[in-house]
Amino acid sequence: KQEVTQIPAALSVPEGENLVLNCSFTDSAIYNLQWFRQDPGKGLTSLLLIQSSQREQTSGRLNASLDKSSGRSTLYIAASQPGDSATYLCAGRHGSSNTGKLIFGQGTTLQVKP
Amino acid sequence: NAGVTQTPKFQVLKTGQSMTLQCAQDMNHEYMSWYRQDPGMGLRLIHYSVGAGITDQGEVPNGYNVSRSTTEDFPLRLLSAAPSQTSVYFCASSYTMGGRYEQYFGPGTRLTVT
Repeated sequence: KQEVTQIPAALSVPEGENLVLNCSFTDSAIYNLQWFRQDPGKGLTSLLLIQSSQREQTSGRLNASLDKSSGRSTLYIAASQPGDSATYLCAGRHGSSNTGKLIFGQGTTLQVKP
Repeated sequence: NAGVTQTPKFQVLKTGQSMTLQCAQDMNHEYMSWYRQDPGMGLRLIHYSVGAGITDQGEVPNGYNVSRSTTEDFPLRLLSAAPSQTSVYFCASSYTMGGRYEQYFGPGTRLTVT
């Protein structure tokens, strides 16, 4: 059974710092991995999607990597800003059919201090 | 596009009452799903649908019913509300063609059962 873990559960950094959020999964037969952002009391916003055949994806100051062999994905945030404060969730998808399931980690809550 | 919309945003029910949480999407996505988010448990899949007329159970289906009569709508019914169903409910949708399966989430419905 696929399990997705995110460590640490919470992280506080000063503004301007580069940081890495970690996501690990137990089953390397992952189809894709998606990173989301969730602001308090809000829904999930998709940040990046990495297919199993890809190594990384970039969007602005965000870069996500995927290493299936080690069961790890990282989300790199460059030059962090207070507006980046939110909970970041990773989710691994199993199966290439349209019945594949998305398994979520518990999230890392990031606080960027001015 | 409005994306994925959910109503209501907030709801308080008494134990034993029934209600329907509404979800609609205007992106012509085949795949739609319902999750619940609880502290310490992360997001868990309740039910999903791969197209109109087709639904299936997720990880935590007990106490919930779904139907999919159109591509756009995927309502979630609570048959007899229990305090254990106090949670935040998210609806999500995605394309299935092209193998990308990027999930888009609605803003959520915060449900309290007393």
